[in-house]
Order: sequence, then C-alpha cells, then structure tokens
Amino acid sequence: AQTVTQSQPEMSVQEAETVTLSCTYDTSESDYYLFWYKQPPSRQMILVIRQEAYKQQNATENRFSVNFQKAAKSFSLKISDSQLGDAAMYFCAYRSSYNQGGKLIFGQGTELSVKP
Amino acid sequence: GAGVSQSPSNKVTEKGKDVELRCDPISGHTALYWYRQSLGQGLEFLIYFQGNSAPDKSGLPSDRFSAERTGGSVSTLTIQRTQQEDSAVYLCASSYRGRLQPQHFGDGTRLSIL
Repeated sequence: AQTVTQSQPEMSVQEAETVTLSCTYDTSESDYYLFWYKQPPSRQMILVIRQEAYKQQNATENRFSVNFQKAAKSFSLKISDSQLGDAAMYFCAYRSSYNQGGKLIFGQGTELSVKP
Repeated sequence: GAGVSQSPSNKVTEKGKDVELRCDPISGHTALYWYRQSLGQGLEFLIYFQGNSAPDKSGLPSDRFSAERTGGSVSTLTIQRTQQEDSAVYLCASSYRGRLQPQHFGDGTRLSIL
C-alpha cells in the first residue's frame, strides 16, 4: 500500500521569504500523480499544484513550485515571496494511475505560519 | 459556477444516534469522494462513486458507515449508532472522470459526538 509522509508538523516563514515543505512517499508503482493541497481555517481543500510522475520537469504555478525527485520518492513544495494569505495547513497527496478509484492518499499535513 | 456543497456545516449529536451528511457535487462531475479528517490528522479516504459503477467502499471503517449516491448527483453519508471516535470533519469532493482531474472539495461537515 502507498503511504505519504510529511515530517514537518509546523513551519514558519517571514513574509516575502521562501519556504520549502517536505513530502516523501512510498510506492511500488511507476506511474502516479502527486498533489499539494492547501487547507485554510475555512476547511476547504484548495489544489495548489500537481505533478505527473512520468514528467521529469518540475511543475510550477506562479509562486509555487515543486522539487520532484522520483528516485528518492520525494516531492517538496517551495513557496516563494511568502504572503500572509499563504498561512494554512498544507497536505501532500498521492494518487495511483491504476484502477484504484482515483482516491487520494494524504500525508499528515504541515501547518505553515507566515510572520509579518 | 457553484462549488461542492455540504450540509450541515456542523452537527452535534449524542452517542448512539444516527446521522446523515449530505454532499451536492459540482454539476457534471461524475466522480464523488468522501474523506474523514480527524483532529490534527490528514484526510482518510472513505468511499468513492464513479458514474453508475459499483462504489469503492474500501475505506469505510465499519459497517455502521454507509453511503449512497442518487441519480448520479447528490450523495448521503450515513453513520449509524454514532460513537465518540466518529467525531471528525467529513469532507466531500467531486471531479470529472480522468486520472489527472483535480478533486474539488466542499467545506466539510464538522461532526461532534457527545
């Protein structure tokens, strides 16, 4: 079974600085998808960025980028120019590309605080 | 357009009572998921519906949990004889069919069992 591990329960960053959130996963599959979701206090999960495992190029969405290391099974999220609105819980998630219903397997989350 | 809608937003009930949680997915989304988020924990998959296919119930923690999806749209998650360990936020998500299609989440129902 696949597992996702986020080893940083809490992180803090100064406004306008850069922060990196770590995520590792375990799988025997070669084809899969990885996601980062943001959950503010409103509880709604918001997709931040996604990566297809067969693509070597790291995904980028504005200030958000990932460092995908397939061999190391690592998928970290970098937030540049941090803003107060980035403060939230961040979840890393794995999705198999095989017929397993498309469910997401989540890590435990990292709570990010942004200091003004 | 409208997002995923869940009701109620909060539910407090006594141990042993049955509860029903509702999810109204985004129009046109054929896939619907239920997840549970216990305090300080990540999300745990419960059940998945895709079109008219048999649902994937592999994540349901006990036979007290059940879910149905009527007409390929609205879904109801039912918990019978609630226990205190059922206290959690229950999140619903929907998506178009396709492996890279993102799941869009509702705001969840916070369930508290007294």
